[in-house]
Amino acid sequence: GAVVSQHPSWVICKSGTSVKIECRSLDFQATTMFWYRQFPKQSLMLMATSNEGSKATYEQGVEKDKFLINHASLTLSTLTVTSAHPEDSSFYICSARDNSNQPQHFGDGTRLSIL
Amino acid sequence: GEDVEQSLFLSVREGDSSVINCTYTDSSSTYLYWYKQEPGAGLQLLTYIFSNMDMKQDQRLTVLLNKKDKHLSLRIADTQTGDSAIYFCAERFTGGGNKLTFGTGTQLKVEL
Repeated sequence: GAVVSQHPSWVICKSGTSVKIECRSLDFQATTMFWYRQFPKQSLMLMATSNEGSKATYEQGVEKDKFLINHASLTLSTLTVTSAHPEDSSFYICSARDNSNQPQHFGDGTRLSIL
Repeated sequence: GEDVEQSLFLSVREGDSSVINCTYTDSSSTYLYWYKQEPGAGLQLLTYIFSNMDMKQDQRLTVLLNKKDKHLSLRIADTQTGDSAIYFCAERFTGGGNKLTFGTGTQLKVEL
């Protein structure tokens, strides 16, 4: 089945640091990738949608200068949390799909803790 | 706007059937999905159903869709302790740019 790899799985860093999270589709071409944020005991909140080779489309209320998304190839998208602060601590999950009607497949998530 | 609701918690005994319910409001849904999330992990796709179907069965999983009532359910037969997790329904609707709208999630606890 379709596999999406997300890295790192857990990161702890100091306030003010920028953190990059990678999302890779291992066995299919991901024309579209999605980035979600999940708070404890809550559902997933879509942050942005990225199509390969295009600028990401951000959801309302998500700061694009804070959460930089790059989708430069059909197998890799990155999310960079710039100048992270404690309120950015969360579980970030990516998903990917190809250009057919197949479902989104999710990575295992990245737990980000900002001290 | 879209709104997907689920009950928050369900507890069943091992070996019993579990039924997790989901209601949605967008009548233009195309696909409806069930995902499973274990603690600290991402989402695992369990099954999905196209909106013109009423039922789909896949081994222990049965999905029922009532379009008139905008109600989706997931039945897990012979529930095992390994089924304990949070279950999310999600809808994908026309004009949504392939985005998914997730339900609030149902925590399933399977007791011995």
